[in-house]
Amino acid sequence: DSGVTQTPKHLITATGQRVTLRCSPRSGDLSVYWYQQSLDQGLQFLIQYYNGEERAKGNILERFSAQQFPDLHSELNLSSLELGDSALYFCASSPWTGATGELFFGEGSRLTVL
Amino acid sequence: AQSVAQPEDQVNVAEGNPLTVKCTYSVSGNPYLFWYVQYPNRGLQFLLKYITGDNLVKGSYGFEAEFNKSQTSFHLKKPSALVSDSALYFCAVSQNYGGSQGNLIFGKGTKLSVKP
Repeated sequence: DSGVTQTPKHLITATGQRVTLRCSPRSGDLSVYWYQQSLDQGLQFLIQYYNGEERAKGNILERFSAQQFPDLHSELNLSSLELGDSALYFCASSPWTGATGELFFGEGSRLTVL
Repeated sequence: AQSVAQPEDQVNVAEGNPLTVKCTYSVSGNPYLFWYVQYPNRGLQFLLKYITGDNLVKGSYGFEAEFNKSQTSFHLKKPSALVSDSALYFCAVSQNYGGSQGNLIFGKGTKLSVKP
């Protein structure tokens, strides 16, 4: 158990809908990272937050947004969903700002868009 | 831009034999390199990392990796494979290391299959 909690574990929704994925980092970790894993794209970095502030942005679509709250949990909002958004979304946390140490991954939220 | 390549989609090994999972990287500056493992329906787990120092890095579950700067490689190795090592292995390189930004760029993964 990494200590990172993601909810929901599974989510099935329809095209055009909006969903919110939630992540609780390990106790004391200030950085939260979101990754998308799909068969064709592999593991893609979406966005990083550190202590409530956005710190790095990767291949995140404009339809997607994220935030980190004062209690350090984070939410990833996906809107106007398309079939291609079906993927496994991982949250990871670390105590650091830079990626020089290991990341601790949750077990992911599997999103299926029908 | 930093990138990492895993040239093999799958590696098949007999139990008890040594295993190697290959990784090459492209970075500007000194590389920070990582290996992670993903078991079915689980998140990624950290195995080992190279930041600086000895080229041979030892990690979890008996795995080790050798950093080779001239060949820009960071291959994962284990002297004697176990069936339980069967999983998806990811090599990663740190992007924008240091400062206030930081994330890992992952390779596409290599599926390791260890047969009894």
